[in-house]
Amino acid sequence: QVQLVQSGAEVKKPGASVKVSCKASGYTFTNYYMHWVRQAPGQGLEWMGLINPSGGGTDYPRKFQGRVTMSRDTSTSTVYMELSSLRSEDTAVYFCAREVDGSNCFDYWGQGSLVTVSS
Amino acid sequence: EIVMTQSPATLSVSPGERATLSCRTSQSVSVKLAWYQQKPGQSPRLLIYDASTRATGIPARFSGSGSGTEFTLTFSSVQSEDFAVYYCQQYNKWPLYTFGQGTKLEIK
Repeated sequence: QVQLVQSGAEVKKPGASVKVSCKASGYTFTNYYMHWVRQAPGQGLEWMGLINPSGGGTDYPRKFQGRVTMSRDTSTSTVYMELSSLRSEDTAVYFCAREVDGSNCFDYWGQGSLVTVSS
Repeated sequence: EIVMTQSPATLSVSPGERATLSCRTSQSVSVKLAWYQQKPGQSPRLLIYDASTRATGIPARFSGSGSGTEFTLTFSSVQSEDFAVYYCQQYNKWPLYTFGQGTKLEIK
């Protein structure tokens, strides 16, 4: 069965960086794009970008360009999301989500990783 | 950027009732719209994609309809496990993956 297992909670100071991992299993890792979505406390969902695990190509919305880096390790079927220059507004649960084959929505999600930014 | 507007913000219904949630987009997205369910402390769950296609394992009481800028998610008979927050998402226009602000379905 498809599983996306994310790394644990992190506490970071403003200005620092955080790197969250998402390990995939139960399917061919390189066949499906992976996305990152975040959710601030009590708020809605915000898309942060995608990575093609096959070639490593990425696409980020303008809001996060220059601050987010997505990468992958095909040997361990793991994708990573690194967010730099953290500020308090980046406090959120970060989810990885697999793209549906043939449709740009998300059928499997990780359990979420809470990142808290606090001085 | 496409603006997504979900209504109502909160819908109170009794179990067994029919319920309809709305999602409106500021520009046409054709049928490139999905619906997700999210319960407290859980990840979102895909219910409907391409406006009307149920995802794998989703009960038939959930149905989606619409095209262009107006979409609905309908529950033929709300069950106790359906009380949650529901989000729509468009994936037709850049930035491709815009979400609505959510509708909370609560017990009346």
